[in-house]
Amino acid sequence: LAKTTQPISMDSYEGQEVNITCSHNNIATNDYITWYQQFPSQGPRFIIQGYKTKVTNEVASLFIPADRKSSTLSLPRVSLSDTAVYYCLVETAGNMLTFGGGTRLMVKP
Amino acid sequence: DAGITQSPRYKITETGRQVTLMCHQTWSHSYMFWYRQDLGHGLRLIYYSAAADITDKGEVPDGYVVSRSKTENFPLTLESATRSQTSVYFCASSESETGNQPQHFGDGTRLSIL
Repeated sequence: LAKTTQPISMDSYEGQEVNITCSHNNIATNDYITWYQQFPSQGPRFIIQGYKTKVTNEVASLFIPADRKSSTLSLPRVSLSDTAVYYCLVETAGNMLTFGGGTRLMVKP
Repeated sequence: DAGITQSPRYKITETGRQVTLMCHQTWSHSYMFWYRQDLGHGLRLIYYSAAADITDKGEVPDGYVVSRSKTENFPLTLESATRSQTSVYFCASSESETGNQPQHFGDGTRLSIL
């Protein structure tokens, strides 16, 4: 059974690097892995997307191993405003878009 | 402003009633999606549409009906609402149906069914 799993929650402190991993054991061969951020009472917002190895943009990095069965979102030097829920999204081998259950990140001062 | 708009933001209705949630996007994206978000389940795909008059089921389509007569609109109808359909509903649009293009989400409709 295809599963896309993430840790339920994580705590961090301002200025630290945070790494959130998503396991996706049945990802489709040619599709990207996408990460979203969601604040309360808002829709998810796109953060970063990648297919393999490493992708970096102005807010995050995404690491994807060669087997693509997992991915890690890396947030450098988090601030209080990074407190949110983070979701990975993959397309499974059955061509179904599947979100992970979300990781609630709490950044403390 | 370009974007994706959902209405209403909040809705309370009773079991058995019909309710329609509206979604409008101004990007002219071909693909549109409806998700529901529940505690413990994250976001689950209800229906999606590749273009006007083309729709397909997602993971949890039972009890829902969609239509897409115009590219910019993608309404979701609960024909006979049940309490299990109490949820937050999100509409999204994208240039692609796959995960290869980011999806752009509205701010959701919080639906309560009494």
